[in-house]
Amino acid sequence: EAQVTQNPRYLITVTGKKLTVTCSQNMNHEYMSWYRQDPGLGLRQIYYSMNVEVTDKGDVPEGYKVSRKEKRNFPLILESPSPNQTSLYFCASSPGTSGGAWNEQFFGPGTRLTVL
Amino acid sequence: KNEVEQSPQNLTAQEGEFITINCSYSVGISALHWLQQHPGGGIVSLFMLSSGKKKHGRLIATINIQEKHSSLHITASHPRDSAVYICAVPIQGAQKLVFGQGTRLTINP
Repeated sequence: EAQVTQNPRYLITVTGKKLTVTCSQNMNHEYMSWYRQDPGLGLRQIYYSMNVEVTDKGDVPEGYKVSRKEKRNFPLILESPSPNQTSLYFCASSPGTSGGAWNEQFFGPGTRLTVL
Repeated sequence: KNEVEQSPQNLTAQEGEFITINCSYSVGISALHWLQQHPGGGIVSLFMLSSGKKKHGRLIATINIQEKHSSLHITASHPRDSAVYICAVPIQGAQKLVFGQGTRLTINP
């Protein structure tokens, strides 16, 4: 089944404890992206990747890191989480190096993160 | 002012009614996504359109590039259509997406 998976789905952690949220897709998509969703602010893009070893900042990259060492994986790293990073996080992928943001987006199920 | 504005923010209707959700954008792009977020939180893509109109079942999406406006219509609405509908716009020259705030639709039986 074609899908985007995220792990963990739920995470409660404490300020400053490094964490990684994994994202994996099995559709051989070039474009992958991370979003956060907050009440009243909607979805906002954190980072995106056009292909392996190619990443770029979205609108809210502060406090986050990403890497794209393999085409299928795009982990989101919070090196020192803070309470303002409490949010619902979505990973997504889409085909096409020339128009990733212009193609159909396939979303993961979401990760609900709470930072105490 | 947000670059992508949706209206209304909330909409409650009776089963069977014709629904219209609007999206206006100020960024200079030539395409737009409509997404549906289920009450459980999952997000699915409904449409990506760059001109004219697209139809999937009871859902119809239209876009007017010159006026920078898109509409999502639902005919013969059903309680299972209750969800948040989100429009998203690719930023020209980049591979970024900017999202509207979403429209929460509730269809009562």
